[in-house]
Amino acid sequence: AQSVTQPDIHITVSEGASLELRCNYSYGATPYLFWYVQSPGQGLQLLLKYFSGDTLVQGIKGFEAEFKRSQSSFNLRKPSVHWSDAAEYFCAVGESWNSGGYQKVTFGTGTKLQVIP
Amino acid sequence: TAGITQAPTSQILAAGRSMTLRCTQDMRHNAMYWYRQDLGLGLRLIHYSNTAGTTGKGEVPDGYSVSRANTDDFPLTLASAVPSQTSVYFCASSLGTSGNNEQFFGPGTRLTVL
Repeated sequence: AQSVTQPDIHITVSEGASLELRCNYSYGATPYLFWYVQSPGQGLQLLLKYFSGDTLVQGIKGFEAEFKRSQSSFNLRKPSVHWSDAAEYFCAVGESWNSGGYQKVTFGTGTKLQVIP
Repeated sequence: TAGITQAPTSQILAAGRSMTLRCTQDMRHNAMYWYRQDLGLGLRLIHYSNTAGTTGKGEVPDGYSVSRANTDDFPLTLASAVPSQTSVYFCASSLGTSGNNEQFFGPGTRLTVL
């Protein structure tokens, strides 16, 4: 069964500092990988996704993520954090196929980002 | 465009009462989903629908039912609410059902069962 681990429950960074949020996944085949962001009181919004090809993917709001198959990781990065980036971030893996015939997406438990001035 | 709307925004419900959470999308997406979000557990799938007229059970379906009479609407019903159903509920949709589809989320309904 697929699984997603986000080892950091909470991270605090200073505004302008760089950011890396960790994500490890477990999936037997080539995974479809996603990062979503959830602002307080809001639903989830897609930041970026990886399906194949270039292992470094660019997303919205200046975020990028790198797929490393050997490490089963898909870490999210941003070179300079803004106060508006304070939110909760979810890594997710989508199955390429499942017997139920639906899009099964497994979400990590999330990393809450606090940005201090 | 509105995307996905959910109603109500929040609700306090007495245990044993029934309630329907409403979800409507205007993107003509084929697939729709209901998740619950609980602290430390991430999002868990309750029910899904691949297309109008079909529904299926997700990871945590007990105590919930859904219907999909048309493409746009996907209501979630709690027949007899229990305190363990206190959660934030998110409706989502995707154009297709393959694993690489982006899911679009509504703003959520915060439900408290007392």
